[in-house]
Amino acid sequence: DGGITQSPKYLFRKEGQNVTLSCEQNLNHDAMYWYRQDPGQGLRLIYYSQIVNDFQKGDIAEGYSVSREKKESFPLTVTSAQKNPTAFYLCASSDGGYRNEQFFGPGTRLTVL
Amino acid sequence: EDQVTQSPEALRLQEGESSSLNCSYTVSGLRGLFWYRQDPGKGPEFLFTLYSAGEEKEKERLKATLTKKESFLHITAPKPEDSATYLCAADGNNRLAFGKGNQVVVIP
Repeated sequence: DGGITQSPKYLFRKEGQNVTLSCEQNLNHDAMYWYRQDPGQGLRLIYYSQIVNDFQKGDIAEGYSVSREKKESFPLTVTSAQKNPTAFYLCASSDGGYRNEQFFGPGTRLTVL
Repeated sequence: EDQVTQSPEALRLQEGESSSLNCSYTVSGLRGLFWYRQDPGKGPEFLFTLYSAGEEKEKERLKATLTKKESFLHITAPKPEDSATYLCAADGNNRLAFGKGNQVVVIP
């Protein structure tokens, strides 16, 4: 079955640590996205990538970094510079640009201890 | 700045009690309006895309409509399995702007 996988499902981090969230898709989509979801707020775009080896900042990129070395993979690193990292992180992909239907992964819940 | 406002924030329905969810948007040059369904602790699942005022799309008990300023998601004779948060997103200024969602609980 085609889809998007995210790992881990739950992640706990101590303050000052960097952590990397995994996102893999086997839908052969060119575009991939990272969103952050907080209670009572809409999804906010962190980074997106239209093609391999290219990515752009979204609305809340500060304290995050990404890479896109393979079409199927788009890992997100939450750095110690992110002041309030506790949130639900969602990865998505689409065939073509963001104007097409986005397929979302199951999410990773990150908690800073 | 693109804005999307969804109302009501939360809604409790009896099984079979039809209702509508509202998504108001302020987007320059709307290129598309998306509806997603999200179950607790899971990623959103695509429902519909609407492109122009007057357009309607249906899927089972759900029907989405679009005007120049808002979109409605009508839930006809809902069942408990329709309980979820429904997200609206507007495609305007090179981004998808998401609303906060309509949390729907359908009571048997």
